[in-house]
Amino acid sequence: DAGVTQSPTHLIKTRGQQVTLRCSPISGHKSVSWYQQVLGQGPQFIFQYYEKEERGRGNFPDRFSARQFPNYSSELNVNALLLGDSALYLCASSVRGEAFFGQGTRLTVV
Amino acid sequence: GQQLNQSPQSMFIQEGEDVSMNCTSSSIFNTWLWYKQDPGEGPVLLIALYKAGELTSNGRLTAQFGITRKDSFLNISASIPSDVGIYFCAGGALSGSARQLTFGSGTQLTVLP
Repeated sequence: DAGVTQSPTHLIKTRGQQVTLRCSPISGHKSVSWYQQVLGQGPQFIFQYYEKEERGRGNFPDRFSARQFPNYSSELNVNALLLGDSALYLCASSVRGEAFFGQGTRLTVV
Repeated sequence: GQQLNQSPQSMFIQEGEDVSMNCTSSSIFNTWLWYKQDPGEGPVLLIALYKAGELTSNGRLTAQFGITRKDSFLNISASIPSDVGIYFCAGGALSGSARQLTFGSGTQLTVLP
């Protein structure tokens, strides 16, 4: 069975640009969450989507947005990139409170 | 953002030794999860705990959900080289209608031959 898949795996962007990250959940999982992990820290919650509706948002600025599609895949968008947005962005699909993560997208902002 | 208090921050142990790490929080959680993360990879779920006092094993791994619902520990018995990695605890709670995880800062485990 395929796990959570994310694309791209690596990305380099310039300050001020916009980026879109993509995630496909485990088949049958309707909930997708996004986390940001900076070097040396644990992941930080950004968004949760369930059945295409936003269920929650972490302490991130409005430059961060997301959506979930009818097939339960999801996109995370970040506008006006800052150097501090450089991090590993993780997508997780979940069922019964257990979250399963993808391999992440490593975003570097220069 | 909030992170749980996870200790120790790093451990160096000999192969075959047992390992213990723990997480504490000022908040109550409904679930406790333990993950292992290798360099360049996403976290891999090791154990999930759902009830206060619950003790669960997965092979050489044992974890417990604290009675107060504010802490959890993970034990690894008879460590082997492939146990090397960063271990994260995560507390799960409902915030509004969102089910979100709050992570610890990680325990870096090194197993010496």
